[in-house]
Amino acid sequence: DGGITQSPKYLFRKEGQNVTLSCEQNLNHDAMYWYRQDPGQGLRLIYYSQIVNDFQKGDIAEGYSVSREKKESFPLTVTSAQKNPTAFYLCASSLTPGTRNQPQHFGDGTRLSIL
Amino acid sequence: QKEVEQNSGPLSVPEGAIASLNCTYSDRVSQSFFWYRQYSGKSPELIMSIYSNGDKEDGRFTAQLNKASQYVSLLIRDSQPSDSATYLCAVGVYNFNKFYFGSGTKLNVKP
Repeated sequence: DGGITQSPKYLFRKEGQNVTLSCEQNLNHDAMYWYRQDPGQGLRLIYYSQIVNDFQKGDIAEGYSVSREKKESFPLTVTSAQKNPTAFYLCASSLTPGTRNQPQHFGDGTRLSIL
Repeated sequence: QKEVEQNSGPLSVPEGAIASLNCTYSDRVSQSFFWYRQYSGKSPELIMSIYSNGDKEDGRFTAQLNKASQYVSLLIRDSQPSDSATYLCAVGVYNFNKFYFGSGTKLNVKP
């Protein structure tokens, strides 16, 4: 089945630690996105990538980093510089950027908490 | 001003009633419009898309688009308790490769 796989489902971070959230898709989508969702809030864009080896900052990129070495994969690292990382992290993908009428599809999310 | 505005709710309707969810957007070049359903603790799930003015029906769901008024709505007929969720409105602006989400409306369907 085609889809987006995020792992792990739950993650705990210690003080001063970097953690990496995995996102893999087999939909052959060009564009991939990372969002953060706080309780009772909407989605906020962290980073997005339209093509391999290229990515752009979203609205809240500080304290996060990404890479896009393969079309299928877009991992997100939450660095120790992100002082309030507790949130629900969602990875999404969509077909070729600029293509009309193409929605974003989401993985199941990773819930990150501070120990 | 936010690109996509939704009333946060909660919107409460009795079982079997019609639930009406509304969304306004600010960018006049917006081209595609989507409704996502998000259950508590889960990820958003695409339930409807609409691209042209008018109504689009899919089962108990009807999406309505009025580009002149910059308004898109979702009607849920015969609401069920299982429809209780947060509904996110999303807008695609493909000329500029932008995709905006509203903050969502929480719907409670009471048995």
